[in-house]
Amino acid sequence: AAGVIQSPRHLIKEKRETATLKCYPIPRHDTVYWYQQGPGQDPQFLISFYEKMQSDKGSIPDRFSAQQFSDYHSELNMSSLELGDSALYFCASSHPAGTRFAGELFFGEGSRLTVL
Amino acid sequence: EDQVTQSPEALRLQEGESSSLNCSYTVSGLRGLFWYRQDPGKGPEFLFTLYSAGEEKEKERLKATLTKKESFLHITAPKPEDSATYLCAGPSSNTGKLIFGQGTTLQVKP
Repeated sequence: AAGVIQSPRHLIKEKRETATLKCYPIPRHDTVYWYQQGPGQDPQFLISFYEKMQSDKGSIPDRFSAQQFSDYHSELNMSSLELGDSALYFCASSHPAGTRFAGELFFGEGSRLTVL
Repeated sequence: EDQVTQSPEALRLQEGESSSLNCSYTVSGLRGLFWYRQDPGKGPEFLFTLYSAGEEKEKERLKATLTKKESFLHITAPKPEDSATYLCAGPSSNTGKLIFGQGTTLQVKP
């Protein structure tokens, strides 16, 4: 079965550089979530999109932005990178809103960002 | 404030030694309690959803149960391949985003 696809899997950047992470949700899933997970920490919610509109916002820095495109894939753009941005970034998708299983999130393998 | 708390933080078991992980939550109007398994460097893998007190779900050596205040993940006769971090999560009462607990890191020794 198709899963959530994230790219790139690994990314190394210098401080103050810019990075873009991509996420392709499971087909027919209409909601995409972005989470950040630091070493030894639980995933922290950043932002979510439903039907290409931002549906919720968590602890996402102003330096970060994201969007969902017409094909439902999403991109997380990170600018002015800081050392503290080094983390695993997960994208997750869920069943269509309003269905019983809408709350079950399916995660991608993650993108590991290292800021030097 | 919506909160999900897991205990213990870490658990070491011998192969075959059964135990339980705890997840307590203070999310009002809970709309599902989710359990995930996460292996190092990988994304959380969905295990179970529990919607109402008294509900139980099983998968291989894992059984999840739910009461009004907490959930338990029971591991029966674990094997080394069950070693992972187990995350519990609940949707925020205000929005649908999942709030995760800190996780329990389970190590099963042969």
